[in-house]
Amino acid sequence: QQQVKQSPQSLIVQKGGISIINCAYENTAFDYFPWYQQFPGKGPALLIAIRPDVSEKKEGRFTISFNKSAKQFSLHIMDSQPGDSATYFCAASRNYGGATNKLIFGTGTLLAVQP
Amino acid sequence: DTGVSQDPRHKITKRGQNVTFRCDPISEHNRLYWYRQTLGQGPEFLTYFQNEAQLEKSRLLSDRFSAERPKGSFSTLEIQRTEQGDSAMYLCASSLGGLEDSPLHFGNGTRLTVT
Repeated sequence: QQQVKQSPQSLIVQKGGISIINCAYENTAFDYFPWYQQFPGKGPALLIAIRPDVSEKKEGRFTISFNKSAKQFSLHIMDSQPGDSATYFCAASRNYGGATNKLIFGTGTLLAVQP
Repeated sequence: DTGVSQDPRHKITKRGQNVTFRCDPISEHNRLYWYRQTLGQGPEFLTYFQNEAQLEKSRLLSDRFSAERPKGSFSTLEIQRTEQGDSAMYLCASSLGGLEDSPLHFGNGTRLTVT
């Protein structure tokens, strides 16, 4: 049972363009939604995260938009750069005891930013 | 380097052999997680520890898998009688339990190839 569905599977964007990756979740108990970036041969690294009490969070060129009623959230990368080329994973978890726990990951989006 | 450290980075073994991986988390982190990632997929939760206690195991963790964290610091993941289907990247992550939004920090993984 896939609890977090991610799309698209791959994405090609021109340098300077906007990259948009979407995720949908099923479990309404989820209350923490991070995005991770992974380069080949490396482990995933946290990019940005959001809780459902806000609809948007921005950090630099990265923005998460969150729609609680639709159970959807998305990552927007503004002014995409070749160095952003990586695989991006959305994830979700429930908050146990004040700390995030047991992240459920989407299947990933391979982003290629063309110079 | 104060990040999560995993050893070895690569392991090639023959089917039926036993293998053991080690993870050293960030020193002040009391939670430690093991994930498995196959090619083109997101990481899948296997198990996690709070200090030395193993609090949850996924159904993915068959009887051939065992994880320990004997002193609440480093952890080992052992796979007995390896099968070709065990070939994957095994990722370790750690976090500071008890704090909201304490993110998971991943190591660079151990890539297992079973021939």
